[in-house]
Amino acid sequence: NAGVTQTPKFQVLKTGQSMTLQCAQDMNHNSMYWYRQDPGMGLRLIYYSASEGTTDKGEVPNGYNVSRLNKREFSLRLESAAPSQTSVYFCASSLTGTVYNEQFFGPGTRLTVL
Amino acid sequence: AQSVTQLGSHVSVSEGALVLLRCNYSSSVPPYLFWYVQYPNQGLQLLLKYTTGATLVKGINGFEAEFKKSETSFHLTKPSAHMSDAAEYFCAVMAGNNRKLIWGLGTSLAVNP
Repeated sequence: NAGVTQTPKFQVLKTGQSMTLQCAQDMNHNSMYWYRQDPGMGLRLIYYSASEGTTDKGEVPNGYNVSRLNKREFSLRLESAAPSQTSVYFCASSLTGTVYNEQFFGPGTRLTVL
Repeated sequence: AQSVTQLGSHVSVSEGALVLLRCNYSSSVPPYLFWYVQYPNQGLQLLLKYTTGATLVKGINGFEAEFKKSETSFHLTKPSAHMSDAAEYFCAVMAGNNRKLIWGLGTSLAVNP
């Protein structure tokens, strides 16, 4: 049981390049989330997916797209990277339908955009 | 709308001293409250949570938190700090049916020998 896995762990991009961050969970969770973490700003929700086949914008969706490929996988795409997207990206998942919404996090992807 | 305020972005304690990390929330409906911990270069993991019932909640690694509705607070405490407690701590609230967590900005805890 690996929990939530993310690839890659580190990435350096040049401005304008594109890339996809991958996330997978093996806990049979129905909800998945993408956050970015920046110093002094805590965690900010980029997109989330309440269930397979649905996605919704969070606080900071501009410049990103997501795909909920199946129940296990939720990818985040940067179409044209900008230096402002330098951040640590976390994927999380949870089992909605329960009383509370405990989220389980992946180890993160550290992205630098030059 | 829900919100979370963590007082003090940096807290420093001596090893063996009391740890107190403050969290206040705003919610128009009964909240679910969470504390997460993030060790250096790692993802977040759940320390403890309050949903309903007993207002004093015990979590992992000797941490506990008390839900005080009258004070809209959910402060995190540990009687005796250990060097391994050095980490970033996040308070979060969930209220309503949207199932999204509202996060505080985090408190960085340093433990001095």
